[in-house]
Amino acid sequence: NAGVTQTPKFQVLKTGQSMTLQCAQDMNHNSMYWYRQDPGMGLRLIYYSASEGTTDKGEVPNGYNVSRLNKREFSLRLESAAPSQTSVYFCASSEALQGRYEQYFGPGTRLTVT
Amino acid sequence: KQEVTQIPAALSVPEGENLVLNCSFTDSAIYNLQWFRQDPGKGLTSLLLIQSSQREQTSGRLNASLDKSSGRSTLYIAASQPGDSATYLCALKGGGNKLTFGTGTQLKVEL
Repeated sequence: NAGVTQTPKFQVLKTGQSMTLQCAQDMNHNSMYWYRQDPGMGLRLIYYSASEGTTDKGEVPNGYNVSRLNKREFSLRLESAAPSQTSVYFCASSEALQGRYEQYFGPGTRLTVT
Repeated sequence: KQEVTQIPAALSVPEGENLVLNCSFTDSAIYNLQWFRQDPGKGLTSLLLIQSSQREQTSGRLNASLDKSSGRSTLYIAASQPGDSATYLCALKGGGNKLTFGTGTQLKVEL
């Protein structure tokens, strides 16, 4: 049971480079999320997708774009990386079951922008 | 805007001690509260979820309570072990489709 998977695990970029972080879930969940985690800031929502074909901005969307490719996959793209985007990025998914909105997280991608 | 606070930020206890981690929130209009564990360099593992209509949930040595009227949740860990050392995060789901996280309590259980 893979749950939520993310690739790559680590990445180093130079300022101005672009990259896409990949996320996939095998739990047939409708909702998927991208968070970033920074020391002292907690986890902050970047974008989310309530269902296939829809995406919405979260708390810190600037500098990012997302694509909900299908029900399983939700990617995060940095078009022109900046040092302020150095962070750990987590993907999560959830499904509303009998009033429970439990989120499941992937292992994270550690991104450094130099 | 929901604000979630976890105090203390760090805690060190001897093995075998019972302990309580605290989570406070400002908006009681929540659907559920979720407790997570995060090991260094790893992702988040869901420990317990308490729905708005519930008062507590238990899993093994863990017990989480929810008091919406006072804006508080506690995570009780019985008979702590070195393997319990990790950062514990609480997160609330309110209206909309996202969780609001606290900044966590870093727990160290010493031999």
